[in-house]
Amino acid sequence: AQSVTQPDIHITVSEGASLELRCNYSYGATPYLFWYVQSPGQGLQLLLKYFSGDTLVQGIKGFEAEFKRSQSSFNLRKPSVHWSDAAEYFCAVGGGTGGFKTIFGAGTRLFVKA
Amino acid sequence: ETGVTQTPRHLVMGMTNKKSLKCEQHLGHNAMYWYKQSAKKPLELMFVYNFKEQTENNSVPSRFSPECPNSSHLFLHLHTLQPEDSALYLCASSQGMAGRNYNEQFFGPGTRLTVL
Repeated sequence: AQSVTQPDIHITVSEGASLELRCNYSYGATPYLFWYVQSPGQGLQLLLKYFSGDTLVQGIKGFEAEFKRSQSSFNLRKPSVHWSDAAEYFCAVGGGTGGFKTIFGAGTRLFVKA
Repeated sequence: ETGVTQTPRHLVMGMTNKKSLKCEQHLGHNAMYWYKQSAKKPLELMFVYNFKEQTENNSVPSRFSPECPNSSHLFLHLHTLQPEDSALYLCASSQGMAGRNYNEQFFGPGTRLTVL
């Protein structure tokens, strides 16, 4: 079955510290992988995506993610977190031969402390 | 207007009311989506339209009725809803193309629906 697991419901990091949000997926076809961010009262904004090629992808706002096929993972990282990064982050898989259906993880809420 | 817009942003309705949610995309996309976002639950895909044709209906109750008159507009008609239907309803669009499922989605800000 197709699924996305984000093991951490919420994470708290200090401003300036590094961040890693975990994502594991199960998908029958070649996956297209995404990370989205949602601020309160807003829709989801795409941070980055992986379709093929280099397994380390760069996104907006200083985020990057690494696709590891052997581990079925697509973890999101940022070397230095800013207070404005506090939001909810969603990993998603879909597209390609799987059609238009995109499966989203339950999300990880990021809190940033001063 | 740019991107994906949704109206209204907030809606309170009784269980016997009929209302509609509207979504408009200004990105030249061909595929449009409705999602339901409830507290503490993953985002749930409801409907997908590609080139105005419905391609996904994710076992959504008939009290939700979508309409896609053209590739830029998407509606969700609501009637006899239940309190558990209270949620944030998100619209999205993507550059769907025949023969290639390119699935990067752009989201609107959502409509916060409360059913009393």
